[in-house]
Amino acid sequence: SQQGEEDPQALSIQEGENATMNCSYKTSINNLQWYRQNSGRGLVHLILIRSNEREKHSGRLRVTLDTSKKSSSLLITASRAADTASYFCATDVRGSQGNLIFGKGTKLSVKP
Amino acid sequence: EAGVTQSPTHLIKTRGQQATLRCSPISGHTSVYWYQQALGLGLQFLLWYDEGEERNRGNFPPRFSGRQFPNYSSELNVNALELEDSALYLCASSFTGTSDPYNEQFFGPGTRLTVL
Repeated sequence: SQQGEEDPQALSIQEGENATMNCSYKTSINNLQWYRQNSGRGLVHLILIRSNEREKHSGRLRVTLDTSKKSSSLLITASRAADTASYFCATDVRGSQGNLIFGKGTKLSVKP
Repeated sequence: EAGVTQSPTHLIKTRGQQATLRCSPISGHTSVYWYQQALGLGLQFLLWYDEGEERNRGNFPPRFSGRQFPNYSSELNVNALELEDSALYLCASSFTGTSDPYNEQFFGPGTRLTVL
């Protein structure tokens, strides 16, 4: 079953703009991870945020986590055409047996 | 440091045949996970191996099976292939398979399986 739901499903912006993607989930988690996928290829791990963390940064990426609202957001600042990809959130559900549960992803298109 | 590797990149089979997909984890990682990404269905968890043992499996029929070798590499076998098995199969590895705050999974490039 899908745990995470990303929103929006698709996002189109101009180079230089910021892109914000949201993820909501249903049950308690140990951590939440964001991934990028280019054109049906492998997933690139972007960032992991633990359930006791509220915000994390990595380069142009900023991730927030609100466990009371069961939601997370990924902000990409000063986007580039190379950021065009699908972005997925994945939750490591508390009490689960190791596997991550993925949302359906946000398709980001950055126009030069 | 080498990432997760998978082979082959592409695999074409006909219905009823068997497919074998291979995965080598990041050095030092003991857990390997298999996921299926079929069109329109998103990423679905298939199998988790840790220290040579199957620890968990997703909601897939028994014709999906696999194993993990002493060097922690893994293979996924799909028997009696059906058309709907056509998908991208992704392998991931992590230091530990326990569901704890450090279960950070790193993925390989995937194997594209096409069943005709």
